[in-house]
Amino acid sequence: KAGVTQTPRYLIKTRGQQVTLSCSPISGHRSVSWYQQTPGQGLQFLFEYFSETQRNKGNFPGRFSGRQFSNSRSEMNVSTLELGDSALYLCASSLAVSAEGQYFGPGTRLTVT
Amino acid sequence: GENVEQHPSTLSVQEGDSAVIKCTYSDSASNYFPWYKQELGKRPQLIIDIRSNVGEKKDQRIAVTLNKTAKHFSLHITETQPEDSAVYFCAASRSTDGNQFYFGTGTSLTVIP
Repeated sequence: KAGVTQTPRYLIKTRGQQVTLSCSPISGHRSVSWYQQTPGQGLQFLFEYFSETQRNKGNFPGRFSGRQFSNSRSEMNVSTLELGDSALYLCASSLAVSAEGQYFGPGTRLTVT
Repeated sequence: GENVEQHPSTLSVQEGDSAVIKCTYSDSASNYFPWYKQELGKRPQLIIDIRSNVGEKKDQRIAVTLNKTAKHFSLHITETQPEDSAVYFCAASRSTDGNQFYFGTGTSLTVIP
């Protein structure tokens, strides 16, 4: 099976702009989670989608949003970008309804200038 | 919410020695604990996991132990090899909460040949 894919892999934006990142999970996986990874804060949970519904949400401002489509592909959007949003954004997918090991994508490296 | 602490933040061992990484968690309802390995520039990869109804799990040179009473779990790598050099992350989750994971801050392991 193909692994989790993310597009784009790299992105440079300026403050105030918005950005949309895309994640395609492993075929058959219905759960998609998003994480922000930074050197100082490590891996922080953004949100999780399961069957097109947001099931969990982390402690991020409302500028961060997401959605999931019927084919389980997911997008996350960040509006009004700030310098502090520069990070590696990882998505991860899994099969199960309840917690189990997730498979990560390669990430999107977002740089905000 | 859950708080996961991970120690040490850096660890250097000689090839062939053992390495131990420890994590503590705060939420007694957490019941699923995966470990991830992230090599430089690559995505995190699940290497082993344990559920709260099990005290220990082994997979070749890797083992994880869980002490529910003390709320801590550890990763043990025996006979370390240079290719074990990476950042290791522990995580905790309640299986009833879907896939919302709380990650430790990571341990950078260096295996010296």
